[in-house]
Amino acid sequence: GAGVSQSPSNKVTEKGKDVELRCDPISGHTALYWYRQRLGQGLEFLIYFQGNSAPDKSGLPSDRFSAERTGESVSTLTIQRTQQEDSAVYLCASSSPPGLPAYEQYFGPGTRLTVT
Amino acid sequence: QKEVEQDPGPLSVPEGAIVSLNCTYSNSAFQYFMWYRQYSRKGPELLMYTYSSGNKEDGRFTAQVDKSSKYISLFIRDSQPSDSATYLCAMGKGGSEKLVFGKGTKLTVNP
Repeated sequence: GAGVSQSPSNKVTEKGKDVELRCDPISGHTALYWYRQRLGQGLEFLIYFQGNSAPDKSGLPSDRFSAERTGESVSTLTIQRTQQEDSAVYLCASSSPPGLPAYEQYFGPGTRLTVT
Repeated sequence: QKEVEQDPGPLSVPEGAIVSLNCTYSNSAFQYFMWYRQYSRKGPELLMYTYSSGNKEDGRFTAQVDKSSKYISLFIRDSQPSDSATYLCAMGKGGSEKLVFGKGTKLTVNP
């Protein structure tokens, strides 16, 4: 079946503008994660959704970052008043329902964000 | 000290070489250990998954976990140019689906 999809694949924006990134997880996956990957760096956890539970927002770097998820489907990551340090690849992942190996996270191709 | 440490490399080896990649960690609560492979401009994909200590083999790949030393390794035998990628270790705690990732090691296998 279809994997995790993300859009747009690339986004160039001017400093100070807001951007919205979209993630479509694998159908049936209840958990959804957002990560940030700066050039030459590892994956930095941002936020985690699991079913209808309150999201774990502990990784969001500032109040300019927010994310929403509609049920167990699409999620959007919004960055307000973008800064140059927000330039990175934003990766979304989803994982299988509880009871199955939940640690196999399936990643999308990422959105490459460039703030000029 | 970071929870997970991984030498970023880069690592360059000739085709056919045995490659050893490793990570150290500080949190003894980690129980699940994974290796992800990330090709350039792609998302990471799960390569190996190990629970607790021990070895796991899958074709040319072997994952080892030594919880007493808080050290995990990935060995690649008979490395191929198609193995050229960044390899990220990741770890999870029991009862949690969150993973902590290493920085990744960039590997190049030269033909």
